[in-house]
Amino acid sequence: ETGVTQTPRHLVMGMTNKKSLKCEQHLGHNAMYWYKQSAKKPLELMFVYNFKEQTENNSVPSRFSPECPNSSHLFLHLHTLQPEDSALYLCASSQMDLNEKLFFGSGTQLSVL
Amino acid sequence: DAKTTQPNSMESNEEEPVHLPCNHSTISGTDYIHWYRQLPSQGPEYVIHGLTSNVNNRMASLAIAEDRKSSTLILHRATLRDAAVYYCILSRRIQGAQKLVFGQGTRLTINP
Repeated sequence: ETGVTQTPRHLVMGMTNKKSLKCEQHLGHNAMYWYKQSAKKPLELMFVYNFKEQTENNSVPSRFSPECPNSSHLFLHLHTLQPEDSALYLCASSQMDLNEKLFFGSGTQLSVL
Repeated sequence: DAKTTQPNSMESNEEEPVHLPCNHSTISGTDYIHWYRQLPSQGPEYVIHGLTSNVNNRMASLAIAEDRKSSTLILHRATLRDAAVYYCILSRRIQGAQKLVFGQGTRLTINP
């Protein structure tokens, strides 16, 4: 248990569906991240939030829409995804302004049919 | 983003030390060297990090070259639970948050 909880653990969706991934951290951190891990590819940083403000969008397509309502919660809203978006989506958190570690959740395994 | 180079895979025996190398010749003065590992079906787990000096913690040791262009993660006594993909990452801060750019990592196999 890392203190970062992601739900759901598994998600299957069609290309016309709209779904959301949820991440919650209980560590008192104020920076949160979304990473994508496709099969046989390195983890890719998608979005970074500091104190609820988005500070990094790593050229992510608009069909992925992040939301950070407070420093403990992070969402990734999905709509009109493609089969190539199937991947493990990982959330992480850290404390800002320190060169400290990231804590990762176990991820949501997403399959787009 | 500065890149790291690691061997694709390594193999060792249980209860023996393991030295995992990493090259980072384009490292800048403010980049920290982080190591994470990822077990199957889990998110990455922090192992250790450092800037210039060697570092020790309960999981491992990190040896950093004097010119900082390479580093070595040392597992002193490998167990079967240490079998994972190990990532060497250069970390820099972006407006306070950590930007970790992962590479392919080294898949470590531990033989009983």
